[in-house]
Amino acid sequence: AQTVTQSQPEMSVQEAETVTLSCTYDTSESNYYLFWYKQPPSRQMILVIRQEAYKQQNATENRFSVNFQKAAKSFSLKISDSQLGDTAMYFCAFSTSYGKLTFGQGTILTVHP
Amino acid sequence: GAGVSQSPSNKVTEKGKDVELRCDPISGHTALYWYRQRLGQGLEFLIYFQGNSAPDKSGLPSDRFSAERTGESVSTLTIQRTQQEDSAVYLCASSVVGDVDNEQFFGPGTRLTVL
Repeated sequence: AQTVTQSQPEMSVQEAETVTLSCTYDTSESNYYLFWYKQPPSRQMILVIRQEAYKQQNATENRFSVNFQKAAKSFSLKISDSQLGDTAMYFCAFSTSYGKLTFGQGTILTVHP
Repeated sequence: GAGVSQSPSNKVTEKGKDVELRCDPISGHTALYWYRQRLGQGLEFLIYFQGNSAPDKSGLPSDRFSAERTGESVSTLTIQRTQQEDSAVYLCASSVVGDVDNEQFFGPGTRLTVL
């Protein structure tokens, strides 16, 4: 079975500070992608960043970066210079074969002014 | 162009009634996915359509759930004889093709409440 585990139900951070959200996964697949999605109260799922499993270099998108440890099956998200608009539920997910996504339980992130 | 749209936005129904949820994918997207999100939980895969191929229904939780898609257009998810445990947000997503690296674009979801 393929699983994704997010061990932090809730996190909080002060505006302009850095926060790291954890994610571990388990799969026997060799070809897969990893994703972080953001879901604000509007319910709209927004792709934040993605990582190809066969690439060792960690993905970066502006203030968002990942720490991908393939052997440990770990995929954490770092948000730098946190902004109030970053407040949302964050989901870690991976896809295999035809793109079916398996999601973690989510981490609620609150950014305080 | 327009994103993925879903209707209705909210649906309240009584236990035992049938409901139909609609998804309009992005034009040109051949792959379409349905997910269920229970309160405070992650998304669970329900069903996947790719063009005219047979759908992957492996995530449907019971035979009360069914979905259809005509070609590469609209999809409907039908839940028969609704139960209270069916209360959730139902999200639809589409992508250019169903492949491991294709970004899925999500609709805003339909919040279903079964009384």
